[in-house]
Amino acid sequence: DAGVTQSPTHLIKTRGQQVTLRCSPKSGHDTVSWYQQALGQGPQFIFQYYEEEERQRGNFPDRFSGHQFPNYSSELNVNALLLGDSALYLCASSFGGNSPLHFGNGTRLTVT
Amino acid sequence: GENVEQHPSTLSVQEGDSAVIKCTYSDSASNYFPWYKQELGKRPQLIIDIRSNVGEKKDQRIAVTLNKTAKHFSLHITETQPEDSAVYFCAAVSNSGYALNFGKGTSLLVTP
Repeated sequence: DAGVTQSPTHLIKTRGQQVTLRCSPKSGHDTVSWYQQALGQGPQFIFQYYEEEERQRGNFPDRFSGHQFPNYSSELNVNALLLGDSALYLCASSFGGNSPLHFGNGTRLTVT
Repeated sequence: GENVEQHPSTLSVQEGDSAVIKCTYSDSASNYFPWYKQELGKRPQLIIDIRSNVGEKKDQRIAVTLNKTAKHFSLHITETQPEDSAVYFCAAVSNSGYALNFGKGTSLLVTP
């Protein structure tokens, strides 16, 4: 039974570029949440997707957008990358909104 | 929004001693409180959680207590082992939302 999988594992981009990160939820899960974890900090909530809709959004600018597909997988898109966007991006899945979250290994994004 | 504060930021104990990590939250509507363990370079993993209708929960060497009146909850690890060394995060979810709001983490070091 595969857990949450994320791709790619590492990514290096230049300031101003755009990036797309991908996530497949744990089998049986229908909800995907995205978190940003800066070095030495706790994860910060970006948004949650359920039934292909953004259900809740954290305090992140519109440069951060997402999508959920009919198979429950999800993408996180970040436009106009800034140096401060360098972080570990974690995807987490759950069944419904408030059941325990299961995290993927994350995508380490470096913006130069 | 919800604000979660976590103390201490670092904790060093001798193998076999107990470790206690404390968190406070601001939103009295919060009703779900998970704890995650994150080893270096790895995903956060759920170790124990508690809901607001319960005051204490125990799983082998790990226990969590919740004081709704004071709006604080604590993680207790007994008989610590070197493999308990990691960063521990507390989190809270309001019943009006779906976002996990994390504390800043406690770096626990268990020395043999």
